Amino acid sequence: SQQGEEDPQALSIQEGENATMNCSYKTSINNLQWYRQNSGRGLVHLILIRSNEREKHSGRLRVTLDTSKKSSSLLITASRAADTASYFCATDGGGGFKTIFGAGTRLFVKA
Amino acid sequence: NAGVTQTPKFQVLKTGQSMTLQCAQDMNHNSMYWYRQDPGMGLRLIYYSASEGTTDKGEVPNGYNVSRLNKREFSLRLESAAPSQTSVYFCASSYKSSGANVLTFGAGSRLTVL
Repeated sequence: SQQGEEDPQALSIQEGENATMNCSYKTSINNLQWYRQNSGRGLVHLILIRSNEREKHSGRLRVTLDTSKKSSSLLITASRAADTASYFCATDGGGGFKTIFGAGTRLFVKA
Repeated sequence: NAGVTQTPKFQVLKTGQSMTLQCAQDMNHNSMYWYRQDPGMGLRLIYYSASEGTTDKGEVPNGYNVSRLNKREFSLRLESAAPSQTSVYFCASSYKSSGANVLTFGAGSRLTVL
């Protein structure tokens, strides 16, 4: 079974708008990561947040983590057409090498 | 700087045939992984190798075998392919960052089993 569940499954916005994607997970974690996948490509790591952090920024990306609610959100500000991709959260399930991915959010940014 | 290289990119098999997916990384990472991705689903871990000489089962190991040939190479073998194994397969390697395994993925291998 999958650890992370993204919401919404799909999101369509205009260029320049902000995009917010949410991830919920089931078990305790040490860290949570977000990855991007362009169509027909492999996943690319975007950002990592540890369980003792509440918010992290990287360029136009902002990630929040609420361990009490077992949830995280990814905000992409001022979206561009090039941001069109699927976005996945991934958790470590409390440790080890079994990085578990959610089903992903498909983001479409209209130019 | 190639990163993670997978071959082949595409393959069509008949039920019962066998094949091996090859994966190599040039980043000197200790750990390597095989995932499969099916439509509407995230990636599911098939097998992983924490370090050279070790392999362990992931979420969906049935029907697959792996070999960690050396630090660079990690292959995935389907001994008797089934239509349920039609999928896109991704190899990855990882490095440690703040205690987390950060994965670098290959471009994927699309497998169709008829």
